[in-house]
Amino acid sequence: DAMVIQNPRYQVTQFGKPVTLSCSQTLNHNVMYWYQQKSSQAPKLLFHYYDKDFNNEADTPDNFQSRRPNTSFCFLDIRSPGLGDAAMYLCATSYDRATNEKLFFGSGTQLSVL
Amino acid sequence: RKEVEQDPGPFNVPEGATVAFNCTYSNSASQSFFWYRQDCRKEPKLLMSVYSSGNEDGRFTAQLNRASQYISLLIRDSKLSDSATYLCVVGSGSARQLTFGSGTQLTVLP
Repeated sequence: DAMVIQNPRYQVTQFGKPVTLSCSQTLNHNVMYWYQQKSSQAPKLLFHYYDKDFNNEADTPDNFQSRRPNTSFCFLDIRSPGLGDAAMYLCATSYDRATNEKLFFGSGTQLSVL
Repeated sequence: RKEVEQDPGPFNVPEGATVAFNCTYSNSASQSFFWYRQDCRKEPKLLMSVYSSGNEDGRFTAQLNRASQYISLLIRDSKLSDSATYLCVVGSGSARQLTFGSGTQLTVLP
């Protein structure tokens, strides 16, 4: 049974057209993360939520926003996608960020920008 | 210098071969070390944690060398299903501070 679910699996958008990626979890974990991974590169942390507390990485562009309306759901909004934003977007969860380093990943959303 | 560096490969090995990957890290204060496996266009999955004394899980053996700041992964008796990218991950005590390497690609050939 999938514990971290990302939809859609593949997303195509147009240059400059806002797009939202979604993530849900059945683990009741208090921390949710969004990573960006480009081809042959390491996953790059964009931001994370510790409960309702939003934590942005210093080098995450303003073009990327996130919402977490409740424990189970988290959204990644890309306000004006550029060609350079084409990548795999990975959602992950963990129980407590401070002491537990085990991450549970969703299957990812592959974003294409035309 | 990257925080976590890996030889990108690709490593192409025949079935049954033994293959080893190394990973170096720059932060001497790092506390935890992992190997993740990532199949093409899929999510990373935890393969094993790496302990100071070294650890083994079936055909997989992980070693840590704190003095030289590197970790290694040895795969014995390679299977076709071992073909994947292997990500080295280094942590400083919290999931938020995990640093991923860009991975080493392995292809096991029949």
